[in-house]
Amino acid sequence: EVQVVESGGGLVQSGGSLRLSCGGSGFTLSSYWMSWVRQAPGKGLEWVAKISQDESGKDYGDSVKGRFTIARDNAKNLVYLQMNSLRVEDTAIYYCARIGYKGWEFDSWGQGTLVSVSS
Amino acid sequence: DIQMTQSPSTLSASVGDRVSITCRASQSINSLLTWYQQKPGKAPKLLIYKASTLESGVPSRFSGSGSGTEFTLTISSLQPDDFATYYCQQSGRTFGQGTKVEIK
Repeated sequence: EVQVVESGGGLVQSGGSLRLSCGGSGFTLSSYWMSWVRQAPGKGLEWVAKISQDESGKDYGDSVKGRFTIARDNAKNLVYLQMNSLRVEDTAIYYCARIGYKGWEFDSWGQGTLVSVSS
Repeated sequence: DIQMTQSPSTLSASVGDRVSITCRASQSINSLLTWYQQKPGKAPKLLIYKASTLESGVPSRFSGSGSGTEFTLTISSLQPDDFATYYCQQSGRTFGQGTKVEIK
């Protein structure tokens, strides 16, 4: 069974940093593009970033560009989201998702990890 | 950046109704449009990719159509399990703002 699991969420002060991790089981994580998506409380989904299998391709949403960095360690079967200069408006559940091969579809999602940024 | 606009924001319907949700892109995205379903407290679930291809295991009452800038998700006969929020997404990037399907 394919599973995606996030970790690393927590409470951080505005201006601080946090690193999220995403692992996979039941599939070879290194063979897939991976992405982060967030959802602020009571709001819709917001795409954050995505990364190619070999890290040669990285793409970010406008609201996090220059502050967040996506990376991966295929030897450890992990994808990361380094979040710097955090703002109150970054408070959200952060989901990690696997991107399928057919049409940029996000075909497997983790349960999410909560990031809370206080002022 | 390409913007995605869904309508309506909320849809009230009854079990058995045929419902449709529209998603419009600010410029052509060919057929790189994906639909997801999300229930409260849960991660989104993939329904349809490449505008019209049903993900394995998704009931056939769900269908998608469109290309270019205008796309539609249709549920042919609404079931109790279908009351949820639906999102479109373009090319693995921008999401629409969501459409909540609620019980009438």
